[in-house]
Amino acid sequence: AAGVIQSPRHLIKEKRETATLKCYPIPRHDTVYWYQQGPGQDPQFLISFYEKMQSDKGSIPDRFSAQQFSDYHSELNMSSLELGDSALYFCASAEARTEAFFGQGTRLTVV
Amino acid sequence: AQSVTQLDSQVPVFEEAPVELRCNYSSSVSVYLFWYVQYPNQGLQLLLKYLSGSTLVKGINGFEAEFNKSQTSFHLRKPSVHISDTAEYFCAVASGGTSYGKLTFGQGTILTVHP
Repeated sequence: AAGVIQSPRHLIKEKRETATLKCYPIPRHDTVYWYQQGPGQDPQFLISFYEKMQSDKGSIPDRFSAQQFSDYHSELNMSSLELGDSALYFCASAEARTEAFFGQGTRLTVV
Repeated sequence: AQSVTQLDSQVPVFEEAPVELRCNYSSSVSVYLFWYVQYPNQGLQLLLKYLSGSTLVKGINGFEAEFNKSQTSFHLRKPSVHISDTAEYFCAVASGGTSYGKLTFGQGTILTVHP
């Protein structure tokens, strides 16, 4: 069965640089969620999209933005990176009234 | 507002012993509860879910959980654990929306199974 695909799996950036994370949801899933998991922390909800429109917003810094495209893939853009942005970033997708399926995550390291 | 509390940060257990990972939640709206497992450097895999109906839910890998509304608990159990069950387990509650992906997670419980 198809799963949620995230790319890249690993990313190393320097402070103040920009990073773009991509997420390809399971086919026919209309909702995408982004989460951030810091070292030793539980995942924190950042933002979600339903049918290409932002549906909810969590603790996402103003330096971050995201969008969902016409093919339903989503991108998380992170600018002016800080050391504290180093984390595992998860994308998840779901269809109506079902649970979320998570991708393998992108590990971002800011040096 | 919703919150989840996992009462044990670490649970060591010997192989073939039973295990219970405890989870309490608070929610002011309808409750949708989940247990996810995370292996090192991996994504989150759904173990089981409670959306409605029977309060005893069975999941993958021999795990089960019981929804207890009066005690606001959703404890995860397995009668006999295996070395391969060593992982971090997250309890989560979903808030409203068209689907159940906006989750509030507990702090996680690291289950370590010893031979």
